[in-house]
Amino acid sequence: DAGITQSPRYKITETGRQVTLMCHQTWSHSYMFWYRQDLGHGLRLIYYSAAADITDKGEVPDGYVVSRSKTENFPLTLESATRSQTSVYFCASSWTELYGYTFGSGTRLTVV
Amino acid sequence: GIQVEQSPPDLILQEGANSTLRCNFSDSVNNLQWFHQNPWGQLINLFYIPSGTKQNGRLSATTVATERYSLLYISSSQTTDSGVYFCAVERQGATQGGSEKLVFGKGTKLTVNP
Repeated sequence: DAGITQSPRYKITETGRQVTLMCHQTWSHSYMFWYRQDLGHGLRLIYYSAAADITDKGEVPDGYVVSRSKTENFPLTLESATRSQTSVYFCASSWTELYGYTFGSGTRLTVV
Repeated sequence: GIQVEQSPPDLILQEGANSTLRCNFSDSVNNLQWFHQNPWGQLINLFYIPSGTKQNGRLSATTVATERYSLLYISSSQTTDSGVYFCAVERQGATQGGSEKLVFGKGTKLTVNP
């Protein structure tokens, strides 16, 4: 299917475990982004990527790792999950940095 | 970093009414986008509008970059317009990398009653 897809939609994990959230887009967009959405904080950028093998930190990168070996995929890994990382995670993509962003449906992550 | 203020925070309308949502920002921008987050959580891009005016059906947006604000107009509102509307901006000439990428406001929560 065309578009941007995130998986899983819902995830419950335990404190200290490693978890990877997946993001896949079919448009060959250059830019990809990871945001988290929390009550009281709104949407905040975690990491972004301008192209394959190019990534940079956003506003709240601590505790997260990203990679982008292929243009279409941009996985986000929580190396050792903490309760403060309970959130809704959104992936987005864009042709260029000055273009409209398209968001995936989100992953609701609960760390217990 | 750049500050983004949206008003009003909450808005309740009857179906068929018109509304105007405002976004003020604290610095010059080269990227401004409006999004609608529906009650199921999906974020939909409405407009990419760093300056000027655009229209899409019942929705239109205007950004006055020199005065640092943007307006989103919703005409003849429908219950499906309910949700949260976000304005997001990126400062022109941003040099601090990811910390200055698209920054979101807190949103305006719109409820349209039948």
